[in-house]
Amino acid sequence: EAGVTQFPSHSVIEKGQTVTLRCDPISGHDNLYWYRRVMGKEIKFLLHFVKESKQDESGMPNNRFLAERTGGTYSTLKVQPAELEDSGVYFCASSPWGATEAFFGQGTRLTVV
Amino acid sequence: GEDVEQSLFLSVREGDSSVINCTYTDSSSTYLYWYKQEPGAGLQLLTYIFSNMDMKQDQRLTVLLNKKDKHLSLRIADTQTGDSAIYFCAEPSGGYNKLIFGAGTRLAVHP
Repeated sequence: EAGVTQFPSHSVIEKGQTVTLRCDPISGHDNLYWYRRVMGKEIKFLLHFVKESKQDESGMPNNRFLAERTGGTYSTLKVQPAELEDSGVYFCASSPWGATEAFFGQGTRLTVV
Repeated sequence: GEDVEQSLFLSVREGDSSVINCTYTDSSSTYLYWYKQEPGAGLQLLTYIFSNMDMKQDQRLTVLLNKKDKHLSLRIADTQTGDSAIYFCAEPSGGYNKLIFGAGTRLAVHP
């Protein structure tokens, strides 16, 4: 069974451009999470989907970030326009409803120059 | 708010034991987790402990939980070069799998 996959693995963009990150969760997992690790600091929660609905988006930094999960399957995280401080590694995780363990993808390293 | 703290770096000799420490703030956490990130890879759940336990052992890994001091530790016996990675302590928040992570401890294993 495929794990959580994220695309791209790396992205380098200029300040002001737009980038879209994609996450494909494990099939059948209702919960999908986005996290971010900036410059070697702690991994911070961004938001949580249950199926296609946003359950908790308290960690989204500002309105330049837009997350969607169409049809409750894959999710995208768009940053528009990107700023230098958005650089970091973006992790996606998924889990079945009620599970104690979340499965993480390999992350997307975003560099804004 | 919730906070998880870890030391940032640990260097050990191959074959020695490694002890990675973590402090957390939410005393109502039902589980506490250790995740491992190897170079170029994603986060892998290494182990977790229920809050009603003091200790959990799994092969070379021993997790100790001191609820009074809100202190969690991960001991790796007979540390190998393949154990070199970043280790993250995490506690759940809000009743879901939303996790609060520490900054990670980078473990370097040298000959």
